[in-house]
Amino acid sequence: GAGVSQSPSNKVTEKGKDVELRCDPISGHTALYWYRQSLGQGLEFLIYFQGNSAPDKSGLPSDRFSAERTGGSVSTLTIQRTQQEDSAVYLCASTPGRNYGYTFGSGTRLTVV
Amino acid sequence: AQRVTQPEKLLSVFKGAPVELKCNYSYSGSPELFWYVQYSRQRLQLLLRHISRESIKGFTADLNKGETSFHLKKPFAQEEDSAMYYCARAGAGSYQLTFGKGTKLSVIP
Repeated sequence: GAGVSQSPSNKVTEKGKDVELRCDPISGHTALYWYRQSLGQGLEFLIYFQGNSAPDKSGLPSDRFSAERTGGSVSTLTIQRTQQEDSAVYLCASTPGRNYGYTFGSGTRLTVV
Repeated sequence: AQRVTQPEKLLSVFKGAPVELKCNYSYSGSPELFWYVQYSRQRLQLLLRHISRESIKGFTADLNKGETSFHLKKPFAQEEDSAMYYCARAGAGSYQLTFGKGTKLSVIP
C-alpha cells in the first residue's frame, strides 16, 4: 500500500479482555516498529522487527504484551488481560533503512474501561 | 542509554516571530537525528533529517556535536506551524529511534 495501515483505528475494551492490533507496513520496508504514545509521556518503544532477525522485545512493559510479524510483512501486537494503564495510542512504523526515518501509521487508540 | 531531551513541553510564539525548539541528545559516536511533527488529528510524520541538511516548510536544524544539540529553527512562525514536535535519534548501527517527550508549539495569530 501507499502508507502504513493500522487497524482498528479505535478500540474500547473491558479490563481483563485480550486485544489484537494490526499493522500493515509499506511494501519492501524491512524494519517494523511498535511504539506507545501516552499523554505527556511521548513515544515509548515497544518492539522492533528487522528482516528475519529475532525481534528486539526490550521495550515490552510486561509479559502480557507480545507481537509477531508474519512473512516479513503484517504485524500483530497482542495485549492479554488488558489493564486501564494500557490505554494509549499504539503506533506502528516502518522504514527501509537507518537514514530514512520512519513512516508512521495513524495509530490505534486503545481505551480500557 | 540513548537519551533525547526536549526541555520545553509548550512553546508559544506570535505569528511572524522566530521559533527555536530545543533538542539535546546523549553523546554517542555519530548519531542520526530527526525531527518529527504531528499536526492536530494527523499522523506523526518526518519533518527533516540532519543527514540531508534540508529545509522543510522553512524549518532548519543544525547538528552541534560540541553542545550535543539539534535545535529546530524557523525565522518567521506561521499559524499552520502549530503542532507537536518530536526530536529523535538513532543509535550507532541501529534502526531504532529514541524520541524526546515532545514540544507543543502554539503560534498566536
